[in-house]
Amino acid sequence: TQLLEQSPQFLSIQEGENLTVYCNSSSVFSSLQWYRQEPGEGPVLLVTVVTGGEVKKLKRLTFQFGDARKDSSLHITAAQPGDTGLYLCAGTFNAGGTSYGKLTFGQGTILTVHP
Amino acid sequence: NAGVTQTPKFRVLKTGQSMTLLCAQDMNHEYMYWYRQDPGMGLRLIHYSVGEGTTAKGEVPDGYNVSRLKKQNFLLGLESAAPSQTSVYFCASSYKRPYGYTFGSGTRLTVV
Repeated sequence: TQLLEQSPQFLSIQEGENLTVYCNSSSVFSSLQWYRQEPGEGPVLLVTVVTGGEVKKLKRLTFQFGDARKDSSLHITAAQPGDTGLYLCAGTFNAGGTSYGKLTFGQGTILTVHP
Repeated sequence: NAGVTQTPKFRVLKTGQSMTLLCAQDMNHEYMYWYRQDPGMGLRLIHYSVGEGTTAKGEVPDGYNVSRLKKQNFLLGLESAAPSQTSVYFCASSYKRPYGYTFGSGTRLTVV
């Protein structure tokens, strides 16, 4: 069973600050995704990365995939209260076969941005 | 533009009762999944399906059964509910690649 370690578990910051969330695995990801979940709702896909070293930007969010495809980071610039939520990383691992899209999720980072 | 619809949204069961959770998607996705989300445990895969008429076990399948008789529907059954099955259940669907999921809004199940 592949494990994803996500850190930190909790993050409480003031509006305007920057932050980074990390996602690490001992296994190589075939693809990695980041989701955001609000209370009472299902996770919503933010980004998918598949190539080592890949960087994707979504407004104030920057996603980076490690060169060895074993780690990823999510950086938020000038956080706003609307960014508050649970951030989840999730990866697929082919391990020589096909994963059929099965995702292994990290435990998540609960982000609170105070006005 | 419904996406993935789960019913019911809330349910309380007594130990030993059975029930079926319904998931429907209107995006013509091939793959469908059932996850459970528990505090401190993250999302864990129960069962999944790669096409109509096919199902397979995930990480935590015990006590659950599934069926996918039609491509757009994926049903999760609890045969004899136990308190350990108290959880929030999410259905998701995706194309074959690059595997981005569309999630439903969840079913909150309490077994007493």
